[in-house]
Amino acid sequence: NAGVTQTPKFQVLKTGQSMTLQCAQDMNHEYMSWYRQDPGMGLRLIHYSVGAGITDQGEVPNGYNVSRSTTEDFPLRLLSAAPSQTSVYFCASSYGAGHYEQYFGPGTRLTVT
Amino acid sequence: QQPVQSPQAVILREGEDAVINCSSSKALYSVHWYRQKHGEAPVFLMILLKGGEQMRHEKISASFNEKKQQSSLYLTASQLSYSGTYFCGTEDNQGGKLIFGQGTELSVKP
Repeated sequence: NAGVTQTPKFQVLKTGQSMTLQCAQDMNHEYMSWYRQDPGMGLRLIHYSVGAGITDQGEVPNGYNVSRSTTEDFPLRLLSAAPSQTSVYFCASSYGAGHYEQYFGPGTRLTVT
Repeated sequence: QQPVQSPQAVILREGEDAVINCSSSKALYSVHWYRQKHGEAPVFLMILLKGGEQMRHEKISASFNEKKQQSSLYLTASQLSYSGTYFCGTEDNQGGKLIFGQGTELSVKP
């Protein structure tokens, strides 16, 4: 099993550009989520999904879109990148919502200039 | 709302003990604990459920006080490998959202 994979590992964008961060898992997990990590702020939940076709907002959803068309994939779209979106992004998955161990991907380091 | 962790940072000598606290303003269903090494992804340590028992992972244990909406992580006889940032994550009764605290940076020195 590859676990949770994320691509790309590093990305530099100019302000206003759009892009999609990819996340995939091969563990047949129903629950997937996206977090961003900034110094001193911990891990902040952007969006999450409890199953294919179902998504919901987390703590900091503005500027990001998600969709969940399959159980395996949960892409995160930045619509118009801003310097405030410079961060490390982690995707996570688990068997179910809440009381199951979260498996984190290796992260994507995004810089917006 | 993010749970609040304390302390923000702690420095230990190898073999010393430490306690990291996590508190929430909301009623909690579960509390997760994760450890993150520099430049790596967070790694699961344990989950405490409402009404459940105290959990243990090697020499690390945790408790969950449902009435006070607090959890504590106890690191006993710390090892160099314990260094990293510890995060608590909480789920309230609504389910579905796992919200993390701001982290506690732990450094264990020889």
